[in-house]
Amino acid sequence: GAGVSQTPSNKVTEKGKYVELRCDPISGHTALYWYRQSLGQGPEFLIYFQGTGAADDSGLPNDRFFAVRPEGSVSTLKIQRTERGDSAVYLCASSLASGSYEQYFGPGTRLTVT
Amino acid sequence: GESVGLHLPTLSVQEGDNSIINCAYSNSASDYFIWYKQESGKGPQFIIDIRSNMDKRQGQRVTVLLNKTVKHLSLQIAATQPGDSAVYFCAEKGSNYKLTFGKGTLLTVNP
Repeated sequence: GAGVSQTPSNKVTEKGKYVELRCDPISGHTALYWYRQSLGQGPEFLIYFQGTGAADDSGLPNDRFFAVRPEGSVSTLKIQRTERGDSAVYLCASSLASGSYEQYFGPGTRLTVT
Repeated sequence: GESVGLHLPTLSVQEGDNSIINCAYSNSASDYFIWYKQESGKGPQFIIDIRSNMDKRQGQRVTVLLNKTVKHLSLQIAATQPGDSAVYFCAEKGSNYKLTFGKGTLLTVNP
């Protein structure tokens, strides 16, 4: 079956602009996670959804970052007033249920802020 | 906190050799550990996991060892192949669902 998909695969934007990154989880997976991966480092947790609600957004670095999952499936990560330090690969993962351990990752969106 | 940088630890092996990748974790309360493989341009891919009540688990060509006394994990890959070349991350899950990833190791397999 289809895995986690993310669009766009690459996004280049100017400093100060607004961007949206999309994640389509595996069908039937109720848990969805966003991570950010900077060059040479492991992924860092941003936010976790169980169904439609954000169960934990403690990893979001500041209030410029926001994510939604209105129907409990597709999720969008939104970044306002982008800064050069936001440049990274944004990874989405989904798992079958809350507490189910195996998280399946998408290929990521590479965001470059110029 | 853990120091981070652009330079990953690296391991270079000959095809057919066994590889051992090490990882130290910080949270003694972590109850579940996972090894991921990440190829260039792709997301992390699950390899093998182990719960804290075990000290060894084997998969196909891979073995994970857990030493809770010194908070150390290792991933052993038998008969390493060129397709095993990637960055390998260990991750720990504590009392919540979040994964905390360690610093990766770049494995290069020479033919």
